[in-house]
Amino acid sequence: QVQLVQSGAEVKKPGASVKVSCQASGYTFTDYYMHWVRQAPGQGLEWMGRINPNSGGTNYAQKFQGRVTMTRDTSISTAYMELSRLRSDDTAVYYCARNRGDVVVVSDNWFDPWGQGTLVTVSS
Amino acid sequence: QSVLTQPPSASGTPGQRVTISCSGSSSNIESNYVYWYQQLPGTAPKLLIYRNSQRPSGVPDRFSGSKSGTSASLAISGLRSEDEADYYCAVWDDSLSGVVFGGGTKLTVL
Repeated sequence: QVQLVQSGAEVKKPGASVKVSCQASGYTFTDYYMHWVRQAPGQGLEWMGRINPNSGGTNYAQKFQGRVTMTRDTSISTAYMELSRLRSDDTAVYYCARNRGDVVVVSDNWFDPWGQGTLVTVSS
Repeated sequence: QSVLTQPPSASGTPGQRVTISCSGSSSNIESNYVYWYQQLPGTAPKLLIYRNSQRPSGVPDRFSGSKSGTSASLAISGLRSEDEADYYCAVWDDSLSGVVFGGGTKLTVL
């Protein structure tokens, strides 16, 4: 079955970077965009950006431009999200999610499935 | 402050029909597809509705979606205790060139 498995929880100090991985299985990794969404404790969902696993091309939410980098390793069907210059308000659960929408329609984004989430805690 | 506006809470009794609204603008809901997600406590979100009103396989037909102008709605009929969860709408925003989520609605089954 289609599955996304993320790396484990992280604790980081302010100013550090974190890199979260998301390994895909059960489908052709390069056929679907991968998105990253985060959720701060008790808060709603926030879109961070997406990567085209085939080309490596990325689009980032304006809020994260300059701080986030999304990459992939097609040999192991894994996507990565690295967030730098961490602050306390970056404490959140970070999710990867496969986009099942039409790849040629930029506005068609439906996320299924989602990874299990990775808790990143930023604390001094 | 979310680009999409949802009521923070909704409630109903078992068997009832409940509707959750999602209000946006011409740059998002009016011009693009709307999607709905269900998030049970302590779990990752799950896709409920795609392309305004389509249900993925495995989602009961008690769940339905609709869109009109700059607003969209999720309806849940025959409410059940296991429907108690947070519900989020999502859509592409042409002005922001990105996906935006509503603030979420916490559904309580009384």
